[in-house]
Amino acid sequence: AQSVAQPEDQVNVAEGNPLTVKCTYSVSGNPYLFWYVQYPNRGLQFLLKYITGDNLVKGSYGFEAEFNKSQTSFHLKKPSALVSDSALYFCAVRDIGTNDYKLSFGAGTTVTVRA
Amino acid sequence: ETGVTQSPTHLIKTRGQQVTLRCSSQSGHNTVSWYQQALGQGPQFIFQYYREEENGRGNFPPRFSGLQFPNYSSELNVNALELDDSALYLCASSFGGASSYNEQFFGPGTRLTVL
Repeated sequence: AQSVAQPEDQVNVAEGNPLTVKCTYSVSGNPYLFWYVQYPNRGLQFLLKYITGDNLVKGSYGFEAEFNKSQTSFHLKKPSALVSDSALYFCAVRDIGTNDYKLSFGAGTTVTVRA
Repeated sequence: ETGVTQSPTHLIKTRGQQVTLRCSSQSGHNTVSWYQQALGQGPQFIFQYYREEENGRGNFPPRFSGLQFPNYSSELNVNALELDDSALYLCASSFGGASSYNEQFFGPGTRLTVL
């Protein structure tokens, strides 16, 4: 079975400081990994994905994520956070080693960036 | 390019009733997935449709059913509504079917309240 854990319910940072949102995953095969962001009363917006290749993935709005196979992690990072980055962030995984086509999401991490 | 749209935005039903939610996929996308997002939780996969057939299902009972039409739009039907069905229902479209690694694009969701 595939699963995602986001160990922090909330992350608080000051504007201009680095932002990290943690994600670990569990799959039986190899993972496809995704990050999405959700603003209040909105659907999820795609930020970035890891399929294969370079472990450092760059995405939208200055976000990047690093895939670490040995630690089964895919942490989301932004070098300098903005107040407008305040939102709910979801990590998701799909196990490409099975015929289970579903995308499994973590419980989400609320990011608050203070001015 | 038109994004994913869902209707209605909000819906209030009573226990035992039936509901139909609708989704129009993004232009060029042929795969639709449905998710249930309860308050304070991550989205849970309900099922996916590709070429008008269900090709993946999460842990939801048979009273959750769906359709995909030739224009790739989709419906989610829920029979015999229960209080626990109250949630935000998200539709996501993508291209390439179940085995694709393409990211999913989400609609704004339908907020269902069951009284």
